Amino acid sequence: DIVLTQSPLSSPVTLGQPASISCRSSQSLVDSDGNTYLSWFQQRPGQPPRLLIYKVSNRFSGVPDRFSGSGAGTDFTLKISRVEAEDVGLYYCMQATQVPVTFGGGTKVEI
Amino acid sequence: QVQLQESGPRLVKPSETLSLTCNVSGASISSYYWGWLRQPPGEGLEWIGYISGSGNINYNPSLKSRVTLSLDTSNNQVSLNLRSVTAADTAVYSCARHLYPPAGTYDMWGQGTMVTVS
Repeated sequence: DIVLTQSPLSSPVTLGQPASISCRSSQSLVDSDGNTYLSWFQQRPGQPPRLLIYKVSNRFSGVPDRFSGSGAGTDFTLKISRVEAEDVGLYYCMQATQVPVTFGGGTKVEI
Repeated sequence: QVQLQESGPRLVKPSETLSLTCNVSGASISSYYWGWLRQPPGEGLEWIGYISGSGNINYNPSLKSRVTLSLDTSNNQVSLNLRSVTAADTAVYSCARHLYPPAGTYDMWGQGTMVTVS
């Protein structure tokens, strides 16, 4: 199985300041079709995960443009350009290049 | 507005079968891929498998011998059966819709339902 390692585990942030989360894969996430199926989710307490980014850098509909994704191969990053209070929560990366689909362990973003 | 709602017993005895239903409103299950995922208390997310509206199925190899996903198109429901459960199967179970066009991710999730094996 592909192992996704997120860092940091916890990220204290300051409102208005940037934040960054890393997701490293144990194998390349480039599929045979040329796509890289790496997504990012936000999960607020008591809520289901919310899709933020898919295929590394594509922002999902309705997601604020302060969220951005980047990376290639085995190293990926989610960036929040200016953290807002509503961004507090858990963030997960997920790969779907290889079965089984796997998730990172999560990063807690807190003010 | 698309909504997914999981339903089923919250308590299952060891060795029995866990059966959950995902009731989908606002979208036809025949038009999408649907996934099941779970999260044991204090642990990470685990993918159980997916089923397409046309019946294509893929399971997590770690659960493949015990899990069955199915569709009920007349009631617009997606079902999960997990056989021979143990305490290790205690988790929040969630259904989710695959993003379309296919992008290897989930754009809609149910609230999830906590199932305890005891």
